[in-house]
Amino acid sequence: AQKVTQAQTEISVVEKEDVTLDCVYETRDTTYYLFWYKQPPSGELVFLIRRNSFDEQNEISGRYSWNFQKSTSSFNFTITASQVVDSAVYFCALGETGANSKLTFGKGITLSVRP
Amino acid sequence: DAGVTQSPTHLIKTRGQHVTLRCSPISGHKSVSWYQQVLGQGPQFIFQYYEKEERGRGNFPDRFSARQFPNYSSELNVNALLLGDSALYLCASSWLGLGEPQHFGDGTRLSIL
Repeated sequence: AQKVTQAQTEISVVEKEDVTLDCVYETRDTTYYLFWYKQPPSGELVFLIRRNSFDEQNEISGRYSWNFQKSTSSFNFTITASQVVDSAVYFCALGETGANSKLTFGKGITLSVRP
Repeated sequence: DAGVTQSPTHLIKTRGQHVTLRCSPISGHKSVSWYQQVLGQGPQFIFQYYEKEERGRGNFPDRFSARQFPNYSSELNVNALLLGDSALYLCASSWLGLGEPQHFGDGTRLSIL
């Protein structure tokens, strides 16, 4: 069965600090997708990044970067120079391949960025 | 272009009643998925539809049903409502529903009294 664990529940930082959100996943599939979504207080889930299981290259996109390590089943997400607008709940999700696109989400990490 | 739209935004029902939630996907998207998000938890997969056919079903009772229309919009129906059905119901759409990013609506917040 698919499982996503986000051990951190709440993180509080001061503006301009870097923050890393941890994600560990479990799957028996050899190919899969990993996602990070952001949920501001308004409720809408906003897509941030996607990674394929066969591509472990880590990238940077603006203030966002991610570290995908298949050997440890981890997909960590870093925000550089955090801003107050980054305050939200962040979800890591595991996506199946094949006939459907079911996402298995973690419980989320509440990030508070203080001015 | 309009994003995923859901209606209504809020709904209050009593136990035993029936509810219908509606979703319009992003133009051109053929796949629609439904998720239930209980307060403090991550979303849980309920259904996925593609080209009016059910592609996937989560671990929810038969009281939950859905359908997709020729214009790719979708309805989620819940019968015999229980207090535990109180949640934010999210609809997501994507082009083919095969691993590409899903785009979510603002959700319908359902409260059961």
